[in-house]
Amino acid sequence: AQTVTQSQPEMSVQEAETVTLSCTYDTSESDYYLFWYKQPPSRQMILVIRQEAYKQQNATENRFSVNFQKAAKSFSLKISDSQLGDAAMYFCALSPGEYGNKLVFGAGTILRVKS
Amino acid sequence: ETGVTQTPRHLVMGMTNKKSLKCEQHLGHNAMYWYKQSAKKPLELMFVYNFKEQTENNSVPSRFSPECPNSSHLFLHLHTLQPEDSALYLCASSSGEGAAEQFFGPGTRLTVL
Repeated sequence: AQTVTQSQPEMSVQEAETVTLSCTYDTSESDYYLFWYKQPPSRQMILVIRQEAYKQQNATENRFSVNFQKAAKSFSLKISDSQLGDAAMYFCALSPGEYGNKLVFGAGTILRVKS
Repeated sequence: ETGVTQTPRHLVMGMTNKKSLKCEQHLGHNAMYWYKQSAKKPLELMFVYNFKEQTENNSVPSRFSPECPNSSHLFLHLHTLQPEDSALYLCASSSGEGAAEQFFGPGTRLTVL
C-alpha cells in the first residue's frame, strides 16, 4: 500500500519570508514520482513541482524547491519570498511505479500568508 | 474553452435521482481521471482511463458508473447515492505518458440530500 502523510494541517508565513511544508510517504516501489500540487480557494488545482525518485538532485521551480530525502521517505516543499498569491491548500502526492499516473494524495496543508 | 472543464459546477440531488457529471479536456491528452475530494480527507482516486479504456477502478461502489466515449470526454453517472457521497468531484487529464503532469478541472460540488 502507498501512503502519504502531511503532518501540518495549517501553516502561516509572513509575506517575503520562507516556509517549509512537510511530507512523508511510504511505498514499496523502487520507481516512483513525487509531486506538490496547489489548490487556491475556489480555484483549480495546479502542479507546483515534481521529483523523480531516481534523481538525487532536488527539484527547483523559481521560488519553490524541495528537499527530497529518499532514505527517510521525506519530501518537503520550501517556498521562498512568500507572496499573498501563495495562500492555498498544498497537497503532497505520490505516484508509484514506472508509469506514474496513479496519484496518492496526502491530506493537505493550508498555507496562510500574512501581509 | 481551454484546459479541463466540468459541468455542472454545483449539483444537488436526492438519493433516488439519476444524474451525470461531465468532464471535457481540450489538451489533446490520452488519460483521464475521476477523484473524490471530501472535507478533511485526502483526495481519493476513483477511476483512470487510458486511451478510452478503464485501467483503474479504486473499489468504487457501483452507484458510480464512469463512461469515456472518447479521449476528450469523461462522464460520471450517479444513481441511488448516499448522503456520504456529498463531496467535490474532480476530473483530471494527462498525456498518459509516464508521470506526466495531471491537469485538473474546477470540480463539481455534489450535495446528496
